[in-house]
Amino acid sequence: GNSVTQMEGPVTLSEEAFLTINCTYTATGYPSLFWYVQYPGEGLQLLLKATKADDKGSNKGFEATYRKETTSFHLEKGSVQVSDSAVYFCALSAGAGNMLTFGGGTRLMVKP
Amino acid sequence: EAQVTQNPRYLITVTGKKLTVTCSQNMNHEYMSWYRQDPGLGLRQIYYSMNVEVTDKGDVPEGYKVSRKEKRNFPLILESPSPNQTSLYFCASSRGQSGTGELFFGEGSRLTVL
Repeated sequence: GNSVTQMEGPVTLSEEAFLTINCTYTATGYPSLFWYVQYPGEGLQLLLKATKADDKGSNKGFEATYRKETTSFHLEKGSVQVSDSAVYFCALSAGAGNMLTFGGGTRLMVKP
Repeated sequence: EAQVTQNPRYLITVTGKKLTVTCSQNMNHEYMSWYRQDPGLGLRQIYYSMNVEVTDKGDVPEGYKVSRKEKRNFPLILESPSPNQTSLYFCASSRGQSGTGELFFGEGSRLTVL
């Protein structure tokens, strides 16, 4: 079946540091890949997505590239801010009608 | 404002006492789904619905029921809650069935079963 594996957190960084959160997946067919973000006390929000190999999704300074050869979709940001502190979920969609498979989530803490 | 609304946001109940968590969306979305979030396990899908009167099991449906009698509403029913259903629950909706995976989430309902 489909699965998503993320690096375990928490990830603690200082403001303006470079961020990488690793994500690898297992799926049949050609999945779409997503990063969702969950701020404290809120539901998940779509951060970015990529629907085919070599696509790069980007939003709010975050980027992730769909790497089919390594089955990866790592999230990166060049300079994090305190406001980026949240839980980040990698997910894939490869089944019928929008069924998403989520990774376990990675908590990011950014210190001033 | 486009949103997914869940109620209640917080609930403490006892084993065996039936409860319903309501979910409503105002975006005319065909697809709706329920997830539970547990530490270290991410989000796991309980049930989903691709349209009115069409529901199907997700990965962890045991102990839950759903119904989709209207497009905007998708309640989650726990007929006889047990402590292992203590969790944070999210309702989500999406336009169409294209598999784009862009879900809109509610703010969550934290349920504690004693």
